Amino acid sequence: DTAVSQTPKYLVTQMGNDKSIKCEQNLGHDTMYWYKQDSKKFLKIMFSYNNKELIINETVPNRFSPKSPDKAHLNLHINSLELGDSAVYFCASSQGSGGYVEQYFGPGTRLTVT
Amino acid sequence: DQQVKQNSPSLSVQEGRISILNCDYTNSMFDYFLWYKKYPAEGPTFLISISSIKDKNEDGRFTVFLNKSAKHLSLHIVPSQPGDSAVYFCAASRINTDKLIFGTGTRLQVFP
Repeated sequence: DTAVSQTPKYLVTQMGNDKSIKCEQNLGHDTMYWYKQDSKKFLKIMFSYNNKELIINETVPNRFSPKSPDKAHLNLHINSLELGDSAVYFCASSQGSGGYVEQYFGPGTRLTVT
Repeated sequence: DQQVKQNSPSLSVQEGRISILNCDYTNSMFDYFLWYKKYPAEGPTFLISISSIKDKNEDGRFTVFLNKSAKHLSLHIVPSQPGDSAVYFCAASRINTDKLIFGTGTRLQVFP
């Protein structure tokens, strides 16, 4: 029973396209996150949502738009994809917020923009 | 601005021996430090954490040591097992935020 799932696992697309990555958690958590791991292996937070409300919005281009239809889902939509968007994107969730809470990560989505 | 650094990209240890993974940070305002473990094609999984008011936290074979004056923490794995082979990420956070700041990871290989 997967706790945090992401679809698709791999995504190959061309520059300029629009794509979405879906994330679902079945842990009953109230906070969800998107992280990006770039080619240098830096894992950086992009967004966090608590009870469907945006809490953290790091310096991310406007082309990235998270959408949380309910507490169990946090999708990431990316417009006008660029080569530099190629990375692994991880979704995560936690119960509660604050730096001490354990975050549960999904398996990641490897996005390749050609 | 890399606030959390793991200067050793890889470490190789024999099974049964101690593995020591190191992490340095620059921001003295961090309240918590966490270690995550990551296998290939999987997301990171939480391993152990320590509050900034403590200097040691132990959980089974895993112990994290914090030296605030040196802004340094380390993860000790004793004894090391082949299943411990993974990438280990150090992360830091403030109490009033969900934001985890990760290091770049250290790849641990435990050989028989």
